[in-house]
Amino acid sequence: DQQVKQNSPSLSVQEGRISILNCDYTNSMFDYFLWYKKYPAEGPTFLISISSIKDKNEDGRFTVFLNKSAKHLSLHIVPSQPGDSAVYFCAASRGAAGNKLTFGGGTRVLVKP
Amino acid sequence: NAGVTQTPKFRVLKTGQSMTLLCAQDMNHEYMYWYRQDPGMGLRLIHYSVGEGTTAKGEVPDGYNVSRLKKQNFLLGLESAAPSQTSVYFCASSYLRQGNQPQHFGDGTRLSIL
Repeated sequence: DQQVKQNSPSLSVQEGRISILNCDYTNSMFDYFLWYKKYPAEGPTFLISISSIKDKNEDGRFTVFLNKSAKHLSLHIVPSQPGDSAVYFCAASRGAAGNKLTFGGGTRVLVKP
Repeated sequence: NAGVTQTPKFRVLKTGQSMTLLCAQDMNHEYMYWYRQDPGMGLRLIHYSVGEGTTAKGEVPDGYNVSRLKKQNFLLGLESAAPSQTSVYFCASSYLRQGNQPQHFGDGTRLSIL
């Protein structure tokens, strides 16, 4: 049973527009959520994270929103750029086991020029 | 500035063969991890280590063994490879045991078992 799910396997967006990636989780014990970006033939790279005590975290063009009651988080990329084309993974961890990440299946984003 | 280095990058094995994947990090990180990535399933934790000489099981440990004899190295072994172990393997490391501390990943080892 997947505890972290990304229900959209792919997303296509025009350059300059907003990309919204969604992630749902089932384990209410998760207290940190992270987004990773992955290019082909490379390892995932950390993008942004959010603690469960917050509902929003912003870093440049990237904003993550957390809705604990709905067990849902989203990543907004504004404006989207062709270099953002990659696979994005949502991941979650528990404080008591903070060194272990549970990943979603990923969303492939294509930004069209 | 190498970060996390995995060797080899590609390997093809026959069923029943054994091999070891090597992970090396130069960031003096305490924690190291091995994941496998399969299509549509994201990354799943195989084994991890919280320090030199320690190892622990992750989500999918069966069929794999690990060793952490030196702080900078984390080895993943397949004693008798099976086709179900065909996957892309990623090693990662992190400095602190806190959920918001990002793990740093290597570029992966693509392993095919025939």
